[in-house]
Amino acid sequence: DAGVTQSPTHLIKTRGQQVTLRCSPKSGHDTVSWYQQALGQGPQFIFQYYEEEERQRGNFPDRFSGHQFPNYSSELNVNALLLGDSALYLCASSNDRVGTEAFFGQGTRLTVV
Amino acid sequence: GQNIDQPTEMTATEGAIVQINCTYQTSGFNGLFWYQQHAGEAPTFLSYNVLDGLEEKGRFSSFLSRSKGYSYLLLKELQMKDSASYLCAAPGGSAGNNRKLIWGLGTSLAVNP
Repeated sequence: DAGVTQSPTHLIKTRGQQVTLRCSPKSGHDTVSWYQQALGQGPQFIFQYYEEEERQRGNFPDRFSGHQFPNYSSELNVNALLLGDSALYLCASSNDRVGTEAFFGQGTRLTVV
Repeated sequence: GQNIDQPTEMTATEGAIVQINCTYQTSGFNGLFWYQQHAGEAPTFLSYNVLDGLEEKGRFSSFLSRSKGYSYLLLKELQMKDSASYLCAAPGGSAGNNRKLIWGLGTSLAVNP
């Protein structure tokens, strides 16, 4: 049983560009959450997708958008990249039950230069 | 507001016992999670407490006091591989929606020989 998979693992982009990160949730999971983790910080919640809709959102600008597909996989898009967007982007999958543990992918390390 | 506090760094000796504390303030309460994160890797689930008291799982135990907004993670018989960041997290969000996880900054534990 494959766990949560993310692609790519590493990415280097130039300021002002756009990026798309991808996530496939663990089998049997229907909820995908995206987090941004800067070096030495805890993960910061970006948004969560369930039934192909954004269900909850953290304090991130509209440059951050996402999508969930019928097979529950998800994409995170970031437009007009800033240097401060450099971070580890983590995808977590879970079932739609409050308190259910989240399983994380290995993350995508994004570097904006 | 919603907030989770934990010490930033701790040091312990191989074979010893260490306790990592976490205090939280969240809107509503739906349990508290502990995750372990090795450098450059994704967080992995350790424990989930929703009722007061101590839950033991091998060398790791987690304690919760809801009235005090306090939890701790207890690691026994420390091993070098326990050197990692330990993250405390609680579901938080607007009333009626507690699905996103609020994270502490993480406690970086160094286990010395």
